[in-house]
Amino acid sequence: GDSVTQKEGLVTLTEGLPVMLNCTYQTIYSNAFLFWYVHYLNESPRLLLKSSTDNKRTEHQGFHATLHKSSSSFHLQKSSAQLSDSALYYCALMGTNAYKVIFGKGTHLHVLP
Amino acid sequence: GGIITQTPKFLIGQEGQKLTLKCQQNFNHDTMYWYRQDSGKGLRLIYYSITENDLQKGDLSEGYDASREKKSSFSLTVTSAQKNEMAVFLCASSPGTGLDTQYFGPGTRLLVL
Repeated sequence: GDSVTQKEGLVTLTEGLPVMLNCTYQTIYSNAFLFWYVHYLNESPRLLLKSSTDNKRTEHQGFHATLHKSSSSFHLQKSSAQLSDSALYYCALMGTNAYKVIFGKGTHLHVLP
Repeated sequence: GGIITQTPKFLIGQEGQKLTLKCQQNFNHDTMYWYRQDSGKGLRLIYYSITENDLQKGDLSEGYDASREKKSSFSLTVTSAQKNEMAVFLCASSPGTGLDTQYFGPGTRLLVL
C-alpha cells in the first residue's frame, strides 16, 4: 500500500543554518500528489506546499521542495532557518485512493538561537 | 474564509466509557476527516466522509464509530475508552478529493483515567 517515510523524528539546528527535512514515499500511482503540512504549537496544522510535477521546484514562505519521482522523494528545504520555523512538519501523499491522504510520522524542527 | 470547530477541547473519560467528539465546518466542504495524532506516530486516519451520510474507514477505524448526518458536521465516537490512553484527535475538511488542501480544526485532547 501507499506509505510515507520521514526518517528523522527530531532535527535541531542553529538559526541561520540551512534546513533539510527528508521525505520519501511509496505508491504505484504515477500521478501522486505530495504535500508538506506544518503544525505550530497551539495552532492547527496547515498546508505549507504541495506538488505533483516531477522535477519542478515548489516554493512557499521561504521553504521549497522538489518532487523527484525517480527517487520517490520530496524533501523540504530552506536556505536559512529562523527561530519561528520551530514546528512539527508532516510530509503527506495522495496516491491510489483519491480521497485518502497518507501522512508521515512527522519531523520536529527545533531551531536554536 | 471559514472555520472548523471541535468540541470539546479537552475530554477526560473513564476506562470503558463511550466518548463522542464533534466537528463542525462552515467552508461548505464535501469531504471531512478524523485523524488521531500521537507523538512519534504522525497523523493516522480514522474515518473520512466524502459527502453527507457517507462513511469510509481509515487505517485506524477499529474501536471507533463515526457519523455524518449533515454536510457541515462529522462526529467521532470512541466506543470503549482504553485506560491511560492519551491522544489528540484532529478533524479536517477539504473541498473534494485528496488533491485539495485539508483545513484542520484545533483538536480535541483525550485523556482516559
